[in-house]
Amino acid sequence: QKEVEQNSGPLSVPEGAIASLNCTYSDRVSQSFFWYRQYSGKSPELIMSIYSNGDKEDGRFTAQLNKASQYVSLLIRDSQPSDSATYLCAVKPYSSASKIIFGSGTRLSIRP
Amino acid sequence: GAVVSQHPSWVICKSGTSVKIECRSLDFQATTMFWYRQFPKQSLMLMATSNEGSKATYEQGVEKDKFLINHASLTLSTLTVTSAHPEDSSFYICSARPPLIGGRGFTNEKLFFGSGTQLSVL
Repeated sequence: QKEVEQNSGPLSVPEGAIASLNCTYSDRVSQSFFWYRQYSGKSPELIMSIYSNGDKEDGRFTAQLNKASQYVSLLIRDSQPSDSATYLCAVKPYSSASKIIFGSGTRLSIRP
Repeated sequence: GAVVSQHPSWVICKSGTSVKIECRSLDFQATTMFWYRQFPKQSLMLMATSNEGSKATYEQGVEKDKFLINHASLTLSTLTVTSAHPEDSSFYICSARPPLIGGRGFTNEKLFFGSGTQLSVL
């Protein structure tokens, strides 16, 4: 079982709709969770971090964490073509002092 | 936000040569930096953790003699790909984490990435 799993996609969403990206993780006691956006040929850019169960909103982005079910999700409201990218879920395992494990990423395509 | 600079952004080299990639934290001191490799349409794979003033910690399967890491100062880590071969062609990305606030907590653990280096070995 991979430590961090994501559906590779591509996920196609019409412009203006809500895009929902999901991620599951295997280390039950992980404490820190991140969503990164990566455009083709570029390095990842941090979008959201979440540490507690529940929702965390930042502009059009909402991160949701459910530790009991070991999943974290990212919602993008009012999707724009510029949101088209690969979204990487990242988790810091409790056992790790510093390193962060990335999922394989979900390719999101926003169609006009 | 914190700025991490990586150089060069791309390099083309002949098989058998060595390539050095630099990663600098511009506005903070980083005792720890990370080196990732990413093949096309795949995720970031952690290669090693670079520790200032000590030896790097390599992930399983990563050859430490091939991927030399030096972290001689609090703002600079280098990755040298020695005797590069075509299979080493990849996107190499460094990252660093600003110092934790409030001691060893679980907050402020955000990674900031360099712009990446696309290595092509002919």
